[in-house]
Amino acid sequence: DGGITQSPKYLFRKEGQNVTLSCEQNLNHDAMYWYRQDPGQGLRLIYYSQIVNDFQKGDIAEGYSVSREKKESFPLTVTSAQKNPTAFYLCASSIEGWGRAYNEQFFGPGTRLTVL
Amino acid sequence: AQSVTQLGSHVSVSEGALVLLRCNYSSSVPPYLFWYVQYPNQGLQLLLKYTSAATLVKGINGFEAEFKKSETSFHLTKPSAHMRDAAEYFCAVTKGQGAQKLVFGQGTRLTINP
Repeated sequence: DGGITQSPKYLFRKEGQNVTLSCEQNLNHDAMYWYRQDPGQGLRLIYYSQIVNDFQKGDIAEGYSVSREKKESFPLTVTSAQKNPTAFYLCASSIEGWGRAYNEQFFGPGTRLTVL
Repeated sequence: AQSVTQLGSHVSVSEGALVLLRCNYSSSVPPYLFWYVQYPNQGLQLLLKYTSAATLVKGINGFEAEFKKSETSFHLTKPSAHMRDAAEYFCAVTKGQGAQKLVFGQGTRLTINP
């Protein structure tokens, strides 16, 4: 089955620690995205990547970093500089990231990060 | 800049009643509009999308939405609610050029009363 996997499903972190959230897709999509979801605020874009070895900041990139070394993988690191990291993190992908804005984004099941 | 406003963070209807979830958008260019559904602790699933073809768009699970440019609206409806429709619904907009960056509304939680 094609789809997007995110791991782990639940993640607990101590303050001051960096953590990396995994996102893998086998849909052969070019574009991948990371969103943060907080209650009552909808989803906000953290980073996106339209192609391998390229990525761009979204609306709330501070305190986060990403890499895109492989087409199928787009890991997100939540650094200690992120002041309020407790949230639900969603990864998504779409077949093309540029010039085809009507394409659907497919979402993974999410990772819930809690800072203790 | 684009934005989306969903009127009503919580909507409650009886089983079998009409479902109406409101979405208004702001965009300087012709938009593409999407409705997604999210069940508890899960990712988002596409219900339907408007891509400048027909203004009345039919989606999955009996939902449909009508694009009204004059009202800058894209409200989601379903004639008869089922218990399984209880979820959170998000309206999103993206512009028709450049990178596909979705801008989401704040979401509407739909509760179905038996």
